Amino acid sequence: KNEVEQSPQNLTAQEGEFITINCSYSVGISALHWLQQHPGGGIVSLFMLSSGKKKHGRLIATINIQEKHSSLHITASHPRDSAVYICAANLNTGNQFYFGTGTSLTVIP
Amino acid sequence: DAGVTQSPTHLIKTRGQHVTLRCSPISGHKSVSWYQQVLGQGPQFIFQYYEKEERGRGNFPDRFSARQFPNYSSELNVNALLLGDSALYLCASRRGGGPGYTFGSGTRLTVV
Repeated sequence: KNEVEQSPQNLTAQEGEFITINCSYSVGISALHWLQQHPGGGIVSLFMLSSGKKKHGRLIATINIQEKHSSLHITASHPRDSAVYICAANLNTGNQFYFGTGTSLTVIP
Repeated sequence: DAGVTQSPTHLIKTRGQHVTLRCSPISGHKSVSWYQQVLGQGPQFIFQYYEKEERGRGNFPDRFSARQFPNYSSELNVNALLLGDSALYLCASRRGGGPGYTFGSGTRLTVV
C-alpha cells in the first residue's frame, strides 16, 4: 500500500465543470503539497497545507488532519488546467516527501 | 530572484555510462533534495542534503550518489547506467527547517 493515495487516476471534464481530486495519506506529516506538472515535466507548487483551507484564484485546497485526507478543487475548469496534479506528503522528519501517482486531468473545450 | 535551476534539461546516455546532473537552489536555500520520476509514476525520493551533509536517502542502489557544494548547489551522479534509469530527475530546494519546497523543471535522462 502506498503511503499517499490519489483518486481518480484520470479525469476528463468539460470546460466549466467543477473538479475534485482527492488525496489520502497514512503517514505523519508536517505539511501536504499540491503540485501541478505539465507535459514538459516541470513541477509548480500550487499549495502547501498544514491545516484548513487555502484558495488561489479558481483553485481551492482543503485538508482534514484527523482523517488524513486532502482535496484539490478547481472551479470553472478551463482547458489550460489540463495537467497532472500530484499530492505530496512532507513527512514529520522534514527530510522527504511521499508522492501520490498523480491525477491526469484533461479539460475539453 | 531565479528559481531552482537544473542542467542539462535533456540528455541521452548509453547503458553503462556515467551521468552527472546539476542543481542550483534558490538563493538562501540550504537544503536540496533529489527525486526520480519514472514515466507514469509519482516522484521517488533519492537524496536530501542540508548544509553539505546527507540528511536522507531513499531506496536507491549505490550507483546513485550525490553531493552538495559550499554554495549549496548539488550534483547527482549515477554510475553504470541502466535502461531503467531513464526518468525525469527533479531537484527541490528549501530554506531550512520549514516544509516549503520549490521544484526545478527537471532533467530528462534517456538511457539507450
